[in-house]
Amino acid sequence: QQQVKQSPQSLIVQKGGISIINCAYENTAFDYFPWYQQFPGKGPALLIAIRPDVSEKKEGRFTISFNKSAKQFSLHIMDSQPGDSATYFCAASIETGANNLFFGTGTRLTVIP
Amino acid sequence: DTAVSQTPKYLVTQMGNDKSIKCEQNLGHDTMYWYKQDSKKFLKIMFSYNNKELIINETVPNRFSPKSPDKAHLNLHINSLELGDSAVYFCASSQEGEPTYEQYFGPGTRLTVT
Repeated sequence: QQQVKQSPQSLIVQKGGISIINCAYENTAFDYFPWYQQFPGKGPALLIAIRPDVSEKKEGRFTISFNKSAKQFSLHIMDSQPGDSATYFCAASIETGANNLFFGTGTRLTVIP
Repeated sequence: DTAVSQTPKYLVTQMGNDKSIKCEQNLGHDTMYWYKQDSKKFLKIMFSYNNKELIINETVPNRFSPKSPDKAHLNLHINSLELGDSAVYFCASSQEGEPTYEQYFGPGTRLTVT
């Protein structure tokens, strides 16, 4: 079963716009929520991550919003650029365990110049 | 320097063959993983190894077997390959106790079974 649900499947945004990707999870034992960015032909790379003790984390143009009660978290990309065009994966894991990442289904983001 | 490397990058083989994918990390990490990414880009954990010990084995066919000769290497052996094994396989590593628990991924091995 899919432990982390992600939407939308694809997203097209104009340059300078805001990209928003949403994820939801069921397992309340998850305590680490990273976002990975993957370019074609490459492995995923960590973009930004959050733990459930905070509701928001910002790094440059990338912000994670976390709603523990709703078991949802989202990635906001401000001032989206063509270079941001990639597939984005949310994930969740239990750090005290094997730290296996359970990935969402991915969102293909295209930023139009 | 490459942090996590995999060989080969591409692997084309016929059904029924046995093949191996190699992974090496030079980060000094103590945990390594294998993930499978299918044609729909879905990433799923297959195995993880900590200090040469298999600590979790997800529900993958027993035709797949991870082997770790040392802490820096985790190889994936696949017996009796099937068409459904075609996918991109990613190796990753992480260090327990690091603040971010970041997993570093290799470039992937695209396996095509014909």
